[in-house]
Amino acid sequence: GENVEQHPSTLSVQEGDSAVIKCTYSDSASNYFPWYKQELGKRPQLIIDIRSNVGEKKDQRIAVTLNKTAKHFSLHITETQPEDSAVYFCAASESFKTIFGAGTRLFVKA
Amino acid sequence: DTEVTQTPKHLVMGMTNKKSLKCEQHMGHRAMYWYKQKAKKPPELMFVYSYEKLSINESVPSRFSPECPNSSLLNLHLHALQPEDSALYLCASSQGILAGGFYEQYFGPGTRLTVT
Repeated sequence: GENVEQHPSTLSVQEGDSAVIKCTYSDSASNYFPWYKQELGKRPQLIIDIRSNVGEKKDQRIAVTLNKTAKHFSLHITETQPEDSAVYFCAASESFKTIFGAGTRLFVKA
Repeated sequence: DTEVTQTPKHLVMGMTNKKSLKCEQHMGHRAMYWYKQKAKKPPELMFVYSYEKLSINESVPSRFSPECPNSSLLNLHLHALQPEDSALYLCASSQGILAGGFYEQYFGPGTRLTVT
């Protein structure tokens, strides 16, 4: 079955710096890669996603890149703000089945 | 309406109790999901319903019994649970594959379950 590895587990950055979170997946059949942000006690919220026929996608301060050959995908957050502090999960999906990475706890220091 | 709702928000039950969790969406989505999330862990898929039929069961113990009465509702019936089943239970929905739609999943706020 699919296995998603996510690094780092914890990331601390200064406000205004960039943050990068990396994931790898094992199942080449996975074709949809969402990223979720989860604040303490709240539901996971989709922040950006990318499909297997696209290499890069950007939405304001957030961008995601996908390397299908290497089975890598990454989340880039620029100009980080304290409200970006949360747990971020990458995921890989094939059909209805979504497997999540272990999560990255991001701290943005003001 | 772009929201998935779940009731109750919190539930405490004994190991001999029977209870149910409820999930509702009115976005016209035809796929609905149950996930279990333990503290500081990612959501783990339990069940998927597509067009009101059980599509995926991730080898979940039979003390968890899902039900999809119609396209807007999803229930999770609980019976004889163990303390290790205490977790946040998340419901999600997405467009179904047959609609040719995307797979974005929208999560409900979850039910925090404590088994005593």
